Amino acid sequence: AAGVIQSPRHLIKEKRETATLKCYPIPRHDTVYWYQQGPGQDPQFLISFYEKMQSDKGSIPDRFSAQQFSDYHSELNMSSLELGDSALYFCASRGAGASYEQYFGPGTRLTVT
Amino acid sequence: GNSVTQMEGPVTLSEEAFLTINCTYTATGYPSLFWYVQYPGEGLQLLLKATKADDKGSNKGFEATYRKETTSFHLEKGSVQVSDSAVYFCALKRETSGSRLTFGEGTQLTVNP
Repeated sequence: AAGVIQSPRHLIKEKRETATLKCYPIPRHDTVYWYQQGPGQDPQFLISFYEKMQSDKGSIPDRFSAQQFSDYHSELNMSSLELGDSALYFCASRGAGASYEQYFGPGTRLTVT
Repeated sequence: GNSVTQMEGPVTLSEEAFLTINCTYTATGYPSLFWYVQYPGEGLQLLLKATKADDKGSNKGFEATYRKETTSFHLEKGSVQVSDSAVYFCALKRETSGSRLTFGEGTQLTVNP
């Protein structure tokens, strides 16, 4: 079965640079969630989209922005990167009318040096 | 607000030992409850879930019962294997669709042969 795809899987950036993370949800899933997991920490919700509109917003810094495109894939744009942004970024998707189950991608590991 | 509290880790067991990982939650209404597992270097996988009081979720020998009276969702397994070594996250989701997951701190389980 198709799963959530995230790219790239690993990314190394320097401070003050920008990064773009991509997420391709499971086919026919219309809701996408982004989570950030710092080293040794639990995942923290950043933002979500339903039918290309922002549906919920969590602890996402103003330096970050995200959107969902017409093909339902989503991109998380991160600017002015800081050392503290080093983390594992997960995308999850959920289908319409499903039992509210979120399926997670493998994550993108971002390292800021 | 919503929150999830897990027992402190790490937990180290011998193969075939009994496992309990405690999880309690604070939430308004009737959230859905989940256990996710994260193997080293991988993303989050849904292990089991329960959507209403007294429901029992089960998968791969793991079980957890939604106890509203004690606001708990403890994870149990009768006989652990080395391959169960991973980080386990308890999570909740409000009853409204599309809502974010709120995770506990995670419990690192190591099973020795």
